[in-house]
Amino acid sequence: GAGVSQSPSNKVTEKGKDVELRCDPISGHTALYWYRQRLGQGLEFLIYFQGNSAPDKSGLPSDRFSAERTGESVSTLTIQRTQQEDSAVYLCASSSQVADTQYFGPGTRLTVL
Amino acid sequence: AQSVSQHNHHVILSEAASLELGCNYSYGGTVNLFWYVQYPGQHLQLLLKYFSGDPLVKGIKGFEAEFIKSKFSFNLRKPSVQWSDTAEYFCAVRGTVNNDMRFGAGTRLTVKP
Repeated sequence: GAGVSQSPSNKVTEKGKDVELRCDPISGHTALYWYRQRLGQGLEFLIYFQGNSAPDKSGLPSDRFSAERTGESVSTLTIQRTQQEDSAVYLCASSSQVADTQYFGPGTRLTVL
Repeated sequence: AQSVSQHNHHVILSEAASLELGCNYSYGGTVNLFWYVQYPGQHLQLLLKYFSGDPLVKGIKGFEAEFIKSKFSFNLRKPSVQWSDTAEYFCAVRGTVNNDMRFGAGTRLTVKP
């Protein structure tokens, strides 16, 4: 079936604007993760959803960042009042509880001018 | 909270050389361990994983990794690298209690033909 998809693939925005990034996980996957990858750096965990449990938001860098997930489907990562340091590739991954292998999407490259 | 350390930022090898990439983690409980690879221009994909059992795990493309519990390590090895192994390699740790996932900063491997 289809893999994890993310949209948009690229987003250029002005400092201070809000942005929304979307992730469509693999159908049936109960777990969904958001990561940030700055240029030349590793993956930075942001937030994790597992079924109907409360999300693990421990990785969100500030209160400008938030994410929602509708049931076990689409997730949206919102960044309010964007700053230049928010420029990065935002990756989404999903996994089934049993297998635990995370399948990654292609990412959204965010550039804040 | 768990953390993952990858000691080598950039490794340069000639074809047919042997490879070992270090990964150490810090976590107080039982973990699942992963190596992911990101080839140029492609998504992150799973190379191999360890959940339990034989601590020597074999993955795709001739890669293997050994879990040494006493050293909190999960080093990645390949006896003879190829030019096509040029990629970025990420070690990851998942805590089995709270399911959160942490990635190392990554090691960039360049294989010279």
